[in-house]
Amino acid sequence: EAGVTQFPSHSVIEKGQTVTLRCDPISGHDNLYWYRRVMGKEIKFLLHFVKESKQDESGMPNNRFLAERTGGTYSTLKVQPAELEDSGVYFCASSQYTGHLNTEAFFGQGTRLTVV
Amino acid sequence: DAKTTQPNSMESNEEEPVHLPCNHSTISGTDYIHWYRQLPSQGPEYVIHGLTSNVNNRMASLAIAEDRKSSTLILHRATLRDAAVYYCILRDSGGGADGLTFGKGTHLIIQP
Repeated sequence: EAGVTQFPSHSVIEKGQTVTLRCDPISGHDNLYWYRRVMGKEIKFLLHFVKESKQDESGMPNNRFLAERTGGTYSTLKVQPAELEDSGVYFCASSQYTGHLNTEAFFGQGTRLTVV
Repeated sequence: DAKTTQPNSMESNEEEPVHLPCNHSTISGTDYIHWYRQLPSQGPEYVIHGLTSNVNNRMASLAIAEDRKSSTLILHRATLRDAAVYYCILRDSGGGADGLTFGKGTHLIIQP
C-alpha cells in the first residue's frame, strides 16, 4: 500500500511568486495534517483536516497560506506570495479517524521549499 | 500540550540496547505519551505510544513510570538504521490542539 505522498520533493521559487504543495494521504485516512520545519527550528503543526473540513488551523502562520482538501482526498497548501522566511521543509501526515487523536500518524517525505 | 524534556543527544553501540529518557513532570491525566523518530532526510515516523501501562511493539518498548512523570523508550538491539532524532510527545486525549508538538528531541548516534 502506498504511503503518504508529497509533491514536489523540492521547489525553488523567487520571493513574491506562488507555490502549491500537494499531499496525497493514505487511502481511507480522513485525518490529514500539515507541518513545517523552517531552518534551525522545530517541526511545527500548521493545520488539521477531517475529510474536507478544517478542524484546527491554529498553526497557520498568516493569510499568505491557504490549505484546501476538496473532496476529502488529497490536499494542497498554497503560499502566495512566498517570502524568504517561508523556506523550509513542509510535511504532510495522515491517520485514520477514530474520534480521538491518539492514533498513529503517517508522514510523507516532505517538500523542501526554498524561496530566493 | 504539556512540555517534555529530553537529552540533546545520546550515543550507543550497534547491537546493544538503548534507553532514551523523557521527563514530563506536568503531564495531565488525559495525556498520552507518543514517540516518533525522524531518520535523516525523511519525514517523522511513529514508534510507539502509551497511557499508563508499559507497551511493546515490533520496533520498541515504552516503559512508563508509575507516577507518569517520566518514560523511557527502549530499543532492544540498536542497528545503524536506528540512528535518528527521537521525539517524546504528549498528546491530550481530552482536547487541546490537534497537532503533534515536536520539541528538539534526542539525536541518537549509533556506533558500529
